[in-house]
Amino acid sequence: SQQGEEDPQALSIQEGENATMNCSYKTSINNLQWYRQNSGRGLVHLILIRSNEREKHSGRLRVTLDTSKKSSSLLITASRAADTASYFCATVLYSGGGADGLTFGKGTHLIIQP
Amino acid sequence: SQTIHQWPATLVQPVGSPLSLECTVEGTSNPNLYWYRQAAGRGLQLLFYSVGIGQISSEVPQNLSASRPQDRQFILSSKKLLLSDSGFYLCAWSNGAGGQETQYFGPGTRLLVL
Repeated sequence: SQQGEEDPQALSIQEGENATMNCSYKTSINNLQWYRQNSGRGLVHLILIRSNEREKHSGRLRVTLDTSKKSSSLLITASRAADTASYFCATVLYSGGGADGLTFGKGTHLIIQP
Repeated sequence: SQTIHQWPATLVQPVGSPLSLECTVEGTSNPNLYWYRQAAGRGLQLLFYSVGIGQISSEVPQNLSASRPQDRQFILSSKKLLLSDSGFYLCAWSNGAGGQETQYFGPGTRLLVL
């Protein structure tokens, strides 16, 4: 079953604007990760935020985490055409085997209009 | 630096035919390895993970199987493909405590079963 759910499912904005995507999850977590997937390609890790962190920055990316609401947001500032991609949040799928896989939502498809 | 390879990149197979997808990792030792599947318009689903040679754990019952004959080689197989096996297959690796840390994804194999 899916743990994370991204919102919105699709987002179209003008280049230069900020894009905000949200993620909600169901169970307690140790960390939450955001990944980007360009069309037809593998996933690229963007940022990891731990459960004891509230906010984290990486370049034009800002991630927040609210464990009381079981939600996270990803903000991309000053968007560029190259930011067009699908964005996924991921949390650990507890497997008990020492190599827990990740569980992903369906993603937010972001389109940056030139 | 570490790299992850998958092949083939694209595969078209008839229903009932066998399948073998290969994933190899370079530049690291004893990685945790994962197979995910991404169906059209959906998020990623964890299929198998491995903490070491010959150690395979399955997350979803299906007609697929995985093997890890060498430390940095992970193979996804099927004896008889079904139409529902179509999708985008992604291999990933991680170090440390499995999904507690970043996972690094390969470029993926797009499988179409006809």
